[in-house]
Amino acid sequence: DSGVTQTPKHLITATGQRVTLRCSPRSGDLSVYWYQQSLDQGLQFLIQYYNGEERAKGNILERFSAQQFPDLHSELNLSSLELGDSALYFCASSVAGTGVSPLHFGNGTRLTVT
Amino acid sequence: GNSVTQMEGPVTLSEEAFLTINCTYTATGYPSLFWYVQYPGEGLQLLLKATKADDKGSNKGFEATYRKETTSFHLEKGSVQVSDSAVYFCALEAGGTSYGKLTFGQGTILTVHP
Repeated sequence: DSGVTQTPKHLITATGQRVTLRCSPRSGDLSVYWYQQSLDQGLQFLIQYYNGEERAKGNILERFSAQQFPDLHSELNLSSLELGDSALYFCASSVAGTGVSPLHFGNGTRLTVT
Repeated sequence: GNSVTQMEGPVTLSEEAFLTINCTYTATGYPSLFWYVQYPGEGLQLLLKATKADDKGSNKGFEATYRKETTSFHLEKGSVQVSDSAVYFCALEAGGTSYGKLTFGQGTILTVHP
């Protein structure tokens, strides 16, 4: 058990809808990362927050947004969903703001857009 | 841009065989390098890391050496077990403007038979 909790585990929704994925980081970790894993794109970095502030941005679509709350949990909001957004979304956390401080991954949320 | 290329899988071995999974990278500056492992239905776990040239990362019998001259970080294990069956990801953190972002390879599926 990595200590990172992601909910829900599975999500099935229709095109055009909006969903929210939630992540609770490991106790004591200040940094939260979101990754998307799909068969065609592999693992893609989306966005990172550190202690409530956005730290780094990757290949995140404008339809997607995220935030980190004062209690350090994070939410990833996906709107105007398309079939191509179907993927496994991972949250990871670390103590510091770099990958040298190991990333601890949750078990992911599998999103299916129909 | 930064990129990681892993040998194509899947890789199928018999128990106690020698394992090599090749990984090469392209990055500006002096990246940190990682191997992560993903077991079925779980998130990624850090297997080992190396932060500078000629460093050797090791864990659970796995080893990888950071070779700057060949821009490589090949994963090796002398004697694999059935329990090593998983997907292995090579990754880098480039630092600088890529601070905090991990770039992953496409993953290599390893299956070990008794």
